[in-house]
This record gives sequence, structure tokens and C-alpha cells, in this order.
Amino acid sequence: DVKVTQSSRYLVKRTGEKVFLECVQDMDHENMFWYRQDPGLGLRLIYFSYDVKMKEKGDIPEGYSVSREKKERFSLILESASTNQTSMYLCASMEGGGETQYFGPGTRLLVL
Amino acid sequence: GDSVTQMEGPVTLSEEAFLTINCTYTATGYPSLFWYVQYPGEGLQLLLKATKADDKGSNKGFEATYRKETTSFHLEKGSVQVSDSAVYFCAQGGGATNKLIFGTGTLLAVQP
Repeated sequence: DVKVTQSSRYLVKRTGEKVFLECVQDMDHENMFWYRQDPGLGLRLIYFSYDVKMKEKGDIPEGYSVSREKKERFSLILESASTNQTSMYLCASMEGGGETQYFGPGTRLLVL
Repeated sequence: GDSVTQMEGPVTLSEEAFLTINCTYTATGYPSLFWYVQYPGEGLQLLLKATKADDKGSNKGFEATYRKETTSFHLEKGSVQVSDSAVYFCAQGGGATNKLIFGTGTLLAVQP
């Protein structure tokens, strides 16, 4: 079975802090994604990566950056956290040419 | 642009009731269509999918048919259980972009 893990289930940070969210997948998938999930808005794509060191902006990249130094790991970085980044963050992976995305359990981030 | 619209929740049903969750899409091409489910405290997991018109996806008693003429992919189940309580997301995607476009999600609560 595909396994996607996220480094934290819950995280509390202060405004202005730099925040790292880590995601690891164990199925050698080429594609990885970061979403945020908010009530009434569904899932919105922040960034995705289709290969090591490659990244593309999604629909809401402002205030975020990403890093993919190894195929199995995709990191989401909040350079200076703000209260409007309080949300649930979901990571997903997908094999190249595939259609099914596999999700991690999510990280619920609270920015005070 | 491409989008997915699904009925707002919450949907509250008694056990063994019939379930329908409506989903319609707009797309410039011919996307694959998906239903994902999110159980409490977990990430999303694929429930079923259909890749072309008139295809029926099915899993765990749930079904959805890809209707090109009405641009719909409604989710149905004949007899819901308490364990079906979750948030259900309709999505479209596939093709060259590898990205999924999600609806806003529908919360289903099944009461014993």
C-alpha cells in the first residue's frame, strides 16, 4: 500500500515564525502536491512537483514556498507565518502518468 | 475555467436510507472524475472513479456514473451505515496537468 506521512498532525506557531511542513511518500512517485483545506472552500492546490528539484505554482502559492531535494520528500515552507494561514494542510503523491492521488493524514496548523 | 460544483451539506440521514450527493463539472476537455472520502481525523482516500463517458465507478456499495450529457457525476448508495459518516469530495482531473480540481466537499452524517 502507498503510504504518505506528514511530520506533524497538529502544530501551533506564532505570527512571523518560519514553518516547515514535511511530507514523505514510500512509493517512488514522481508527483507530489500540497493543498490546504478550509471549510466551505474544499481543497486548494498550493504547489506541486513532478520531479526532484522541479516545482510549479498551484492556485494559491502566495506566502508559501516548497522544496524537493529528494524524490520521496516534499516540504512546504511558510516563510513568515500569518494568522490567515491557519488551516489544514494535506500532502499527496501520484505516480507519473497516473490519475489517483494518495493523501497523507494532514497537518492542522494554528498560527497565533 | 474548469470547476466542480457539489451540493452543500451537511446531509443528515438515518441508517439504511438512500444517499445521493450531486456533483456537476465544467471542463474544456474530457477529464476523469473522482469521488474521494475523508473520514474524521484522516486524509482523503479515493472512493471511486470513472475515466470516460457512461463509465460507472463503484466501491463499498457506492456508485457514480459519468454523464457527459448532463456533465454530472452524482454519488449514490442504496443503504447508508453509520460508518459512512464522512466528508465526500467530488473532483475532476487527469490529462497532461496531473492536477485535480475539487468541489467544496459534502459532510454526511448518518444517525443510528
